Amino acid sequence: DTEVTQTPKHLVMGMTNKKSLKCEQHMGHRAMYWYKQKAKKPPELMFVYSYEKLSINESVPSRFSPECPNSSLLNLHLHALQPEDSALYLCASSPGQGISYEQYFGPGTRLTVT
Amino acid sequence: DQQVKQNSPSLSVQEGRISILNCDYTNSMFDYFLWYKKYPAEGPTFLISISSIKDKNEDGRFTVFLNKSAKHLSLHIVPSQPGDSAVYFCAASGIFNFNKFYFGSGTKLNVKP
Repeated sequence: DTEVTQTPKHLVMGMTNKKSLKCEQHMGHRAMYWYKQKAKKPPELMFVYSYEKLSINESVPSRFSPECPNSSLLNLHLHALQPEDSALYLCASSPGQGISYEQYFGPGTRLTVT
Repeated sequence: DQQVKQNSPSLSVQEGRISILNCDYTNSMFDYFLWYKKYPAEGPTFLISISSIKDKNEDGRFTVFLNKSAKHLSLHIVPSQPGDSAVYFCAASGIFNFNKFYFGSGTKLNVKP
């Protein structure tokens, strides 16, 4: 299994809703990432988990809350989002520090906040 | 402050010819560089990488060249195929911040049949 899966593919939510994005990989990778990508822009790093511990938080607003229940799963909990948070949310994984740099991306969740 | 730049937002090439995509960086601490390809509504797909100890890496039709003194890298696709039409991002990283990629803004390649 050499892929990163993300659910759901599409999500529409109101500003008062609470929802979660899910990401899973079974490649034995020890680093997992959340990125946000707006149209015609490069991916922007949000969070990095390394060996299930949060190692990077790129000053992301608290309405985004990451969680890494185990080495294969990564969640992003969403609450009280704003319309400008509408974007493609990408999950990625990599083997881990000292092994290799390559990050492998999932297909993304297209989020629309109304 | 964008540390990785792709100055050509788009490139159009005839099928069978060479595509050359360029990328410049400013941080001399970067020691690993990658190219990703992205189709609409999909996540980026890893294409090829190069470490700073090399100046060339080849994988099939794809070759990445690194010029450290000029802080410049390029991706050559030979021969170009219509299926190569996508947005190409270059990314850089370094041992100082292993998990963080600095992405360029992307170049949209269109290969015409």
